[in-house]
Amino acid sequence: GAVVSQHPSWVICKSGTSVKIECRSLDFQATTMFWYRQFPKQSLMLMATSNEGSKATYEQGVEKDKFLINHASLTLSTLTVTSAHPEDSSFYICSARGDRGYNEQFFGPGTRLTVL
Amino acid sequence: AQSVTQLDSQVPVFEEAPVELRCNYSSSVSVYLFWYVQYPNQGLQLLLKYLSGSTLVESINGFEAEFNKSQTSFHLRKPSVHISDTAEYFCAVSAPQGGGYNFGAGTRLAVHP
Repeated sequence: GAVVSQHPSWVICKSGTSVKIECRSLDFQATTMFWYRQFPKQSLMLMATSNEGSKATYEQGVEKDKFLINHASLTLSTLTVTSAHPEDSSFYICSARGDRGYNEQFFGPGTRLTVL
Repeated sequence: AQSVTQLDSQVPVFEEAPVELRCNYSSSVSVYLFWYVQYPNQGLQLLLKYLSGSTLVESINGFEAEFNKSQTSFHLRKPSVHISDTAEYFCAVSAPQGGGYNFGAGTRLAVHP
């Protein structure tokens, strides 16, 4: 149980295009999902908190117009990197908070984005 | 807010030797603590977690960690490492009531034959 998937697992795009990454909780409902990014050989940094049916909450320094987050259902959150540039190349990882009433999160396998 | 410090960026060790990866946290409230392992070009895998109860938690592959409230630590240990344990290890902390996880900088465990 408590499986989280991400799609795609990797994506290469041209500078200036937009890329959408999906995060799904496969066997549980997740009212809250989180998006992290990880630069090479670095740790994970929380980007934003996504709540079903409401606007995402972004961490300080994260551009909300650049990284659009939509949490349209209890099992799906999407992250859209708009007008991507090479500096947006990173490993993006989502997590979903479990439905057991306490803050235990389950992580997706990650999406590697390379912007050329 | 909670934070985590992993003091060792790299830990080299010989196969079958014991290892300890250090993790200290800072928080004014109760916390949840986690250890994750990440192999190259892969996502995070949960090793073990402390939510409440017994302060000593164990994983299925021989790792253990002990929650020490007085020393605000959650060090990861293994009595005998294998080559396959070579990976990046992240300690993370969260608040029980909600919010994202705060990750440490990571410790690169390199097991040598």
